[in-house]
Amino acid sequence: NAGVTQTPKFQVLKTGQSMTLQCAQDMNHEYMSWYRQDPGMGLRLIHYSVGAGITDQGEVPNGYNVSRSTTEDFPLRLLSAAPSQTSVYFCASSSTSALTGELFFGEGSRLTVL
Amino acid sequence: GQQVMQIPQYQHVQEGEDFTTYCNSSTTLSNIQWYKQRPGGHPVFLIQLVKSGEVKKQKRLTFQFGEAKKNSSLHITATQTTDVGTYFCAGRGGTASKLTFGTGTRLQVTL
Repeated sequence: NAGVTQTPKFQVLKTGQSMTLQCAQDMNHEYMSWYRQDPGMGLRLIHYSVGAGITDQGEVPNGYNVSRSTTEDFPLRLLSAAPSQTSVYFCASSSTSALTGELFFGEGSRLTVL
Repeated sequence: GQQVMQIPQYQHVQEGEDFTTYCNSSTTLSNIQWYKQRPGGHPVFLIQLVKSGEVKKQKRLTFQFGEAKKNSSLHITATQTTDVGTYFCAGRGGTASKLTFGTGTRLQVTL
């Protein structure tokens, strides 16, 4: 099983450019989420989804959009990249029992905004 | 909103010494999970605690959930170089499905 797959692994953007980080899981998990990881700040939740067609904001949603048209995919869009969005991004999914399920993480996407 | 803090932020130990990281939430948690992230890697699930006062062991690792369900700890006995990494706690509050991560404790182990 592939588990949670994130692409790309590395990306360099210029300020103002847009891009989409892709996330796909093949475990039929209902719950999917995006985190960003910055030194000394742990993992901060950006957006999450409890099922297809349902998304909600996390702690740091500004500057990011998400959609969940299928159970498998949960892309994260940066509409106008800013240097403050330089970070490592992790997608994670969990089983139907979102209140107790463990998170399975992708390998991460390292984004640099110049 | 819910906040989860961990201390210490960083700890450096000699191999064979013990290590403990503490996790404190601003609100009561329905459950707490612990993850380990190796340098350059992604977080990997270790364990989940659900009951007040619960204690679970995994070989040299002991996990505790506080009686008030607002704090937790991870204790490693006789650390090894393979324990190197960052340990995160993550908690869910009430009926919320989202998981809030602590700030993490980075463990360095030297021979």
